[in-house]
Amino acid sequence: ILNVEQSPQSLHVQEGDSTNFTCSFPSSNFYALHWYRWETAKSPEALFVMTLNGDEKKKGRISATLNTKEGYSYLYIKGSQPEDSATYLCAPYYGQNFVFGPGTRLSVLP
Amino acid sequence: NAGVTQTPKFQVLKTGQSMTLQCAQDMNHEYMSWYRQDPGMGLRLIHYSVGAGITDQGEVPNGYNVSRSTTEDFPLRLLSAAPSQTSVYFCASRITQGGMVNEQFFGPGTRLTVL
Repeated sequence: ILNVEQSPQSLHVQEGDSTNFTCSFPSSNFYALHWYRWETAKSPEALFVMTLNGDEKKKGRISATLNTKEGYSYLYIKGSQPEDSATYLCAPYYGQNFVFGPGTRLSVLP
Repeated sequence: NAGVTQTPKFQVLKTGQSMTLQCAQDMNHEYMSWYRQDPGMGLRLIHYSVGAGITDQGEVPNGYNVSRSTTEDFPLRLLSAAPSQTSVYFCASRITQGGMVNEQFFGPGTRLTVL
């Protein structure tokens, strides 16, 4: 069973703060990495699909980078807003199925 | 498009009872899967299917059965419910095209409690 780690487990930031989280995953046989945003009482929604070493993706105030050689990805949120409060999941893909990390729960305080 | 739909949204069972969680998608996706979500853990794959008539086990398949008779439907059956199966269950689907890894679309989830 592949071990995917995310840190921190949870964090609280003030509105306007910038923040970042980490996803660590086994780099052997890696195909792609997905980031999902999961709001309470809703279902996970895809943020980014990343495949190549050095990939950088951006959607509004949220961006992500990927290092496939060392097996990690960073998710950045610039100027956090209360609506960014959610759990952020990373899920590397190894050829057939995804392996989900436990998530980082972000709370943005107004 | 309705996307991925799941029924029921909530269910309470007694130990030993059986039931089927329904999942349907209207996006003509070949790949469908079932996950369970437990506190402090990531989504864990129960079973998956790469097309009608084809199913396979994921990480935690024990106590569950699946079938895929059509592209649209992928029901999950609990054979004899146990308290350890208390969880939130998510169905997901995605396109599989030429090896491309496309995003998964998730259903709204079914919250199951086994007493």
